[in-house]
Amino acid sequence: AQSVSQHNHHVILSEAASLELGCNYSYGGTVNLFWYVQYPGQHLQLLLKYFSGDPLVKGIKGFEAEFIKSKFSFNLRKPSVQWSDTAEYFCAVISYNTDKLIFGTGTRLQVFP
Amino acid sequence: EAGVVQSPRYKIIEKKQPVAFWCNPISGHNTLYWYRQNLGQGPELLIRYENEEAVDDSQLPKDRFSAERLKGVDSTLKIQPAELGDSAVYLCASSEDSLSGNTIYFGEGSWLTVV
Repeated sequence: AQSVSQHNHHVILSEAASLELGCNYSYGGTVNLFWYVQYPGQHLQLLLKYFSGDPLVKGIKGFEAEFIKSKFSFNLRKPSVQWSDTAEYFCAVISYNTDKLIFGTGTRLQVFP
Repeated sequence: EAGVVQSPRYKIIEKKQPVAFWCNPISGHNTLYWYRQNLGQGPELLIRYENEEAVDDSQLPKDRFSAERLKGVDSTLKIQPAELGDSAVYLCASSEDSLSGNTIYFGEGSWLTVV
């Protein structure tokens, strides 16, 4: 079955630390990839997306992600996190075969001052 | 530009009672989605509409869940009767169309607690 895996369920960092959240998917064929963020009490917001072209994509608030096709991965990175980055982060994948957006289970990020 | 609007934001009901959620998608978006998000999980698709047609309802528990999108704009999702396990956040989302290259935008969700 098609799936999206986020291996880090809960990450705790201090401000200014670097962040990398893992995301792997099991689809074959062409995919589009997304990272969504959900701040406490707010709705899901698009952080960044990859459709085609440069596999290193930059999103809002200094986040970036790299699509590595050979590893079926789309890891999210930020060189220096802030307290305001405390949120839940969801990786999502849509396959051209199914047109269905599938989410990972999410990673809860806590950043302490 | 207004986002996806959902109501109610919060609902607490007793089991076996009915409940309904309403969604107004972003203007001009033909595709509308209902997702369910359980605590500690990612959203899971319940149903997808292209205009007024439900094109993917394979994950909708049809014995108690129903949805409609009359006139291809607003949509309602109904649960009757509700069960304890239905406690979750029900998310509505929309996109210009269902082509894989389009971004899906989410509403704030309707938080359901069944007691």
